[in-house]
Amino acid sequence: DADVTQTPRNRITKTGKRIMLECSQTKGHDRMYWYRQDPGLGLRLIYYSFDVKDINKGEISDGYSVSRQAQAKFSLSLESAIPNQTALYFCAIGQGDYEQYFGPGTRLTVT
Amino acid sequence: GNSVTQMEGPVTLSEEAFLTINCTYTATGYPSLFWYVQYPGEGLQLLLKATKADDKGSNKGFEATYRKETTSFHLEKGSVQVSDSAVYFCALTNTGNQFYFGTGTSLTVIP
Repeated sequence: DADVTQTPRNRITKTGKRIMLECSQTKGHDRMYWYRQDPGLGLRLIYYSFDVKDINKGEISDGYSVSRQAQAKFSLSLESAIPNQTALYFCAIGQGDYEQYFGPGTRLTVT
Repeated sequence: GNSVTQMEGPVTLSEEAFLTINCTYTATGYPSLFWYVQYPGEGLQLLLKATKADDKGSNKGFEATYRKETTSFHLEKGSVQVSDSAVYFCALTNTGNQFYFGTGTSLTVIP
């Protein structure tokens, strides 16, 4: 089984719809992250969490919210999706050795 | 602030050619440096890392040396294979809290 699972893997939605992307992990790591990947821009950090009571904004948090429902689950919400949120979204986990482990990604298209 | 600059691609090489992908960084303090690889349709995977100046990270024939004097962490491989075709990301972290990624360099190796 994969260490980091993301659902859905692909999603097409319309402008103004609410969308939730989910991430779960089996490695027991404390730190969880959400990134978006855009061509030519690399990965940019949206939010990160060190435990269920600790949520932090990243570089590009506007238009997004997150919830750490449990140590193993970290979801990303787009309250009202807009076309420029079309991107590839990655969840990652980490521990004290600083390495990050990435999920397979969710490709989101907002029309 | 913290940032990573890596050479723009795409890079196309013949099999068994020598590979260099340049990466330079700006950071406060003494960051840890990483190279991640992303194969088509997958998430990022850690390729190698170095945590202090003059350290050399290596894995699967790839190498990179942490050069504090030139703030660089260039990725090299002596003889690339078709299976090395992927996107390569340079990254840094100062505290393990936030990671900063370069924009990625696409490598295509042709037989």
